[in-house]
Amino acid sequence: QQQVKQSPQSLIVQKGGISIINCAYENTAFDYFPWYQQFPGKGPALLIAIRPDVSEKKEGRFTISFNKSAKQFSLHIMDSQPGDSATYFCAASKARGSTLGRLYFGRGTQLTVWP
Amino acid sequence: DTAVSQTPKYLVTQMGNDKSIKCEQNLGHDTMYWYKQDSKKFLKIMFSYNNKELIINETVPNRFSPKSPDKAHLNLHINSLELGDSAVYFCASSHVTIQETQYFGPGTRLLVL
Repeated sequence: QQQVKQSPQSLIVQKGGISIINCAYENTAFDYFPWYQQFPGKGPALLIAIRPDVSEKKEGRFTISFNKSAKQFSLHIMDSQPGDSATYFCAASKARGSTLGRLYFGRGTQLTVWP
Repeated sequence: DTAVSQTPKYLVTQMGNDKSIKCEQNLGHDTMYWYKQDSKKFLKIMFSYNNKELIINETVPNRFSPKSPDKAHLNLHINSLELGDSAVYFCASSHVTIQETQYFGPGTRLLVL
């Protein structure tokens, strides 16, 4: 059972456009929501993360929007660049319990930014 | 300095063989993980170790056996390799107690012929 659902599976955006990737979760025990970026041939790397006490977090061109009541969060990439072309994974984890530290990943979104 | 390293980077082998993948982290983390990434890029956790103790063991065939000789190392041994084992295997590490970033290694690309 997929604990974090991610869409779309693939996304094509023109340079300078806004890329939006959405994720949804069911488990209200989740309290940490990172996004990972993976370039071809490399391991995933943390891009940005949010905790549910805030509704938005911005780092440069990357913003996470978080809606606790809807149990949804999304990644917005402003002014998308060809160098942003990668696979993006949302994830969730919980601070307590036997699965402490475990990340539940979405299935990934392959972003292509055309020049 | 490489934070999380894996060897080998590529592994091509025949069905039925036994192989190992090694992972080392120099970040001082207390927890290490193995993930399998299939051809559709789906990241599936296989195992995690906290201070050399197994804490996550997903539904993985018992042909896969992790071994953690110390906190900085987590190796993966695979017996009787099958075609379906072909994937990219990633090692990762983190400080689980403070729910911090997981740092991934560069991956080992396994191809079973």
